[in-house]
Amino acid sequence: DTGVSQDPRHKITKRGQNVTFRCDPISEHNRLYWYRQTLGQGPEFLTYFQNEAQLEKSRLLSDRFSAERPKGSFSTLEIQRTEQGDSAMYLCASSLVAGTEYVEQYFGPGTRLTVT
Amino acid sequence: GENVEQHPSTLSVQEGDSAVIKCTYSDSASNYFPWYKQELGKRPQLIIDIRSNVGEKKDQRIAVTLNKTAKHFSLHITETQPEDSAVYFCAAIADSWGKLQFGAGTQVVVTP
Repeated sequence: DTGVSQDPRHKITKRGQNVTFRCDPISEHNRLYWYRQTLGQGPEFLTYFQNEAQLEKSRLLSDRFSAERPKGSFSTLEIQRTEQGDSAMYLCASSLVAGTEYVEQYFGPGTRLTVT
Repeated sequence: GENVEQHPSTLSVQEGDSAVIKCTYSDSASNYFPWYKQELGKRPQLIIDIRSNVGEKKDQRIAVTLNKTAKHFSLHITETQPEDSAVYFCAAIADSWGKLQFGAGTQVVVTP
């Protein structure tokens, strides 16, 4: 499968624990996005990267959240001291942008986080 | 920032009928509007998109129309089939880097 992959697909954790998710974008895609989706809602933007540079963080991303894309390839999203409100599907998307025209973002299958 | 509203939240249609989903956006600078289909437990997949220099785009049974003056765009599915059953999301570009602002989604159910 040459699409966007995410690991793990499901994560159950207890409140207060730290979790880390990984996203592998489509090879050579220079932009990578993280979104969060709760039940019955559309994905909400969290943060994005142009190569290894993190360009913007949403206000949804509290200080407990951190994301990295160290070599401009895969990315990790870490949540520290998880809360029940963090339970959601975390989606990663990537795109290849060469100019100023917007192009399709390809989504991964998501990581479903359940905080008990 | 950009705000996207989507209606209806649920839509039931008989197989063979048409389905229409409408979205409005707030930022007049938005110029790219994709539509995603998400089946239960699966990733969102782009089904069609439209840019602001075009008023309508069609791909087989799917079409999208854009009214920049009114700041709304619509998805039209003709001759619906059971496999069209899914949640459909509209979105608008919210900044120059491609950040998407999604609508809340429309659950489409096509009954045979």
